[in-house]
Amino acid sequence: QKEVEQNSGPLSVPEGAIASLNCTYSDRVSQSFFWYRQYSGKSPELIMSIYSNGDKEDGRFTAQLNKASQYVSLLIRDSQPSDSATYLCAVKLGNSGNTPLVFGKGTRLSVIA
Amino acid sequence: ETGVTQSPTHLIKTRGQQVTLRCSSQSGHNTVSWYQQALGQGPQFIFQYYREEENGRGNFPPRFSGLQFPNYSSELNVNALELDDSALYLCASSLDTGQPQHFGDGTRLSIL
Repeated sequence: QKEVEQNSGPLSVPEGAIASLNCTYSDRVSQSFFWYRQYSGKSPELIMSIYSNGDKEDGRFTAQLNKASQYVSLLIRDSQPSDSATYLCAVKLGNSGNTPLVFGKGTRLSVIA
Repeated sequence: ETGVTQSPTHLIKTRGQQVTLRCSSQSGHNTVSWYQQALGQGPQFIFQYYREEENGRGNFPPRFSGLQFPNYSSELNVNALELDDSALYLCASSLDTGQPQHFGDGTRLSIL
C-alpha cells in the first residue's frame, strides 16, 4: 500500500462550485498534514496545514481530517479558474521530529469558466 | 514569495558528471529538506538537514549527498549523474523539523 494516496484526476468543476480533493494515508500515528498547490512549471505552495481531527477553514479553503479513517480532504468553495492547478497532499508520517514529509502524486484540478 | 531561494534555475549536464545545487533558507529557519520531483509525480524526499546535521534520509543512493552551513543554507551534491536524475529539485525550509515547509522555486536538472 502506498503511503499517501490521491486520485490523480483530472477533477473538473464549473466556476463557482465546490471542489473536493481527497487523500488517504497509511501510517496511523501520523500527526501533521499539509495541502500544497502547484501550478504547472512552478514549485509547491503551502495552502493549509491541519493537525487535529475536524475542520480547519481559511478563506475559501477548508481542510478536514479524520485520523480514525486515515483520511484528509481539502474543500475549495466558490472555485475560480485561477484555482486550476495540481493539489498535493503531504503527510509527516510517524510522530517524531525526523520523519520525512511524504507526498501523494497530486490531484489535477480544472475549474471551467 | 517564500524567501527560499535556489540556484541555478536550470542546469544541463551529461551522464557521469557531478552537480551542486544551492539553497538559501528563509530567515530564521534552521531546517532544510531536499526533494526530487519527476514529471507527473509528487516530490520525493531525499534528505533533511537540521542545524548542520543530516536528520533523515529517503531512499536515494549515496551519490546524493548534502551539506548545511552555519547560516542554514544548504547544498545538494549528486555524483555520477544518470539519465533518471533528470527532474525538478526542490529545497524547502521550515522553522523547525515539525513545522510546515516552504519551497523555493526549484532547480530543473536535465541530463543528456
